[in-house]
Amino acid sequence: GEDVEQSLFLSVREGDSSVINCTYTDSSSTYLYWYKQEPGAGLQLLTYIFSNMDMKQDQRLTVLLNKKDKHLSLRIADTQTGDSAIYFCAVSEEGGGFKTIFGAGTRLFVKA
Amino acid sequence: KAGVTQTPRYLIKTRGQQVTLSCSPISGHRSVSWYQQTPGQGLQFLFEYFSETQRNKGNFPGRFSGRQFSNSRSEMNVSTLELGDSALYLCASSLEGGLNTGELFFGEGSRLTVL
Repeated sequence: GEDVEQSLFLSVREGDSSVINCTYTDSSSTYLYWYKQEPGAGLQLLTYIFSNMDMKQDQRLTVLLNKKDKHLSLRIADTQTGDSAIYFCAVSEEGGGFKTIFGAGTRLFVKA
Repeated sequence: KAGVTQTPRYLIKTRGQQVTLSCSPISGHRSVSWYQQTPGQGLQFLFEYFSETQRNKGNFPGRFSGRQFSNSRSEMNVSTLELGDSALYLCASSLEGGLNTGELFFGEGSRLTVL
């Protein structure tokens, strides 16, 4: 079945850029997502990208998709302490409903 | 608009017992998915329901089951609880049709501890 992998921890200084990486196995993935989970809360969608796109920018967030290598990344510019959270990469394939598969999550620590 | 509501938020059970968790999706959302979140495994997909039918299923044993009612509310049940079932169980709802991107709207979860 589909597998999504991402590193578990990332630590950056406030004001620096953060880059969170993810790889997936199913090339038929239609939608690719980044979700954010803050302590004690459920997940919230940060941004998504269609499989026919290479890049998407949304304010401080930049998503890059390399379909050939099945690699997705999330760049957060000017990282703030409020960005400290767990970031989940997820992929899904449309057809008969969505079955969204998540990675294990990357815990981002932002040092002041 | 109210978000996804999960009950109970916290519960403690002992091995061998069974548990039922409830999820009320966002009004108008007909798809409900369930996930198990543990520190070591991340989010594992359990199943997805739409119009009272299970459409997708993850790789969990038969002790994990679910159902969806005509009002789209969903329940999941775990029988013969094991210590390893201790986890945060997350429910998510999503919209169907139109320009649907498959975005999932999550509840805050039900934290199950098995002693």
